[in-house]
Amino acid sequence: DAGVIQSPRHEVTEMGQEVTLRCKPISGHNSLFWYRQTMMRGLELLIYFNNNVPIDDSGMPEDRFSAKMPNASFSTLKIQPSEPRDSAVYFCASSFMITGGQPQHFGDGTRLSIL
Amino acid sequence: EDQVTQSPEALRLQEGESSSLNCSYTVSGLRGLFWYRQDPGKGPEFLFTLYSAGEEKEKERLKATLTKKESFLHITAPKPEDSATYLCAVQAGTGTYKYIFGTGTRLKVLA
Repeated sequence: DAGVIQSPRHEVTEMGQEVTLRCKPISGHNSLFWYRQTMMRGLELLIYFNNNVPIDDSGMPEDRFSAKMPNASFSTLKIQPSEPRDSAVYFCASSFMITGGQPQHFGDGTRLSIL
Repeated sequence: EDQVTQSPEALRLQEGESSSLNCSYTVSGLRGLFWYRQDPGKGPEFLFTLYSAGEEKEKERLKATLTKKESFLHITAPKPEDSATYLCAVQAGTGTYKYIFGTGTRLKVLA
């Protein structure tokens, strides 16, 4: 089975530009998570969806960040305008969650560099 | 406040030298505790789920255990290919059921 697929794997862009990260979760999973990983702060949850509905977006750093899940097989994380401090590795993960206790499965991330 | 603390931050072992990694947690209503392995340039790879105190899981040279306050990942006779960052996460049983990750232990096994 295909795992979680993220694109692009690397993105380098200049400050102020719009950045869109994409994620295809594992087929059959009903929950999708966006994380940001840095050396200083580790893995931080940005937002998660259950059945395509945003459940917890308390980790979204500011209004420049937005996420959508238009259907069960696709999600985007958008940063507009981007800033150098947004540079990090962004991971998408999915799981099949009903009552909790199910593991998440991660993609290989998008390494984002904002110049 | 729900939180996860891992120790040590980094660990260097000689090949064959067994050791343990620690994950201490405080969470309301634990739904599950998860161990992951992360290699450079890759996403975290799921290893184990533990649900209740006293539970143990094993996979090759790895064994995970759980108490009411902490979990240990025991590595028996490690090999250089076990070198990676090991992450612990908990899922809270109240609120939004979100997962909370520790900052990981960077393990280096020397040949």
